[in-house]
Amino acid sequence: DAGVTQSPTHLIKTRGQQVTLRCSPKSGHDTVSWYQQALGQGPQFIFQYYEEEERQRGNFPDRFSGHQFPNYSSELNVNALLLGDSALYLCASSAHRDSGTNEKLFFGSGTQLSVL
Amino acid sequence: AQTVTQSQPEMSVQEAETVTLSCTYDTSESDYYLFWYKQPPSRQMILVIRQEAYKQQNATENRFSVNFQKAAKSFSLKISDSQLGDAAMYFCAYRSYYTGANSKLTFGKGITLSVRP
Repeated sequence: DAGVTQSPTHLIKTRGQQVTLRCSPKSGHDTVSWYQQALGQGPQFIFQYYEEEERQRGNFPDRFSGHQFPNYSSELNVNALLLGDSALYLCASSAHRDSGTNEKLFFGSGTQLSVL
Repeated sequence: AQTVTQSQPEMSVQEAETVTLSCTYDTSESDYYLFWYKQPPSRQMILVIRQEAYKQQNATENRFSVNFQKAAKSFSLKISDSQLGDAAMYFCAYRSYYTGANSKLTFGKGITLSVRP
């Protein structure tokens, strides 16, 4: 059983460019969350997708957008890249039917984005 | 808004010894969940232990246990019989009970734990 998979593992972009990161959730999971982890910091919540809709959003500008597909996989898009967008982007999946104590969140290994 | 503070950036422990990692948090909510996550060099976040705020009993998972002090808003992690594989970054995290299933996690800045052989 594959866990959460993310692609690519590393990415180098230039300021002003656009980037798309991809995430496939763990089998049986239907909810995907994205986190940004800057160097030396803890992850920060970007947004969460369930039933192909954005359900929660953290304090990130509109340059950050996402999508969820019918197979529950998800994409994170970042437009007009800034140097400060350089970070590790983590995807986490869970099952919406599990709530409270039963919820189990599984993380991928992330995509390391470098903006030059 | 909730905040999570980990004030120790680094700690070191001798193999087979015990180490305690500290975490404090701030919230106006009475029910919530607290977590400790481990992030090894592979970068994948791994859940170490979870505590429900409405439970008075401290959670334990094998060599890992917590000291949850709700009034003091303190949540420390104790690792007993430290092993070389415990070396990693450790993050304390908070999740609201009221915002529904699968709600977001708020993380601290993390602490780097090294284990000396």
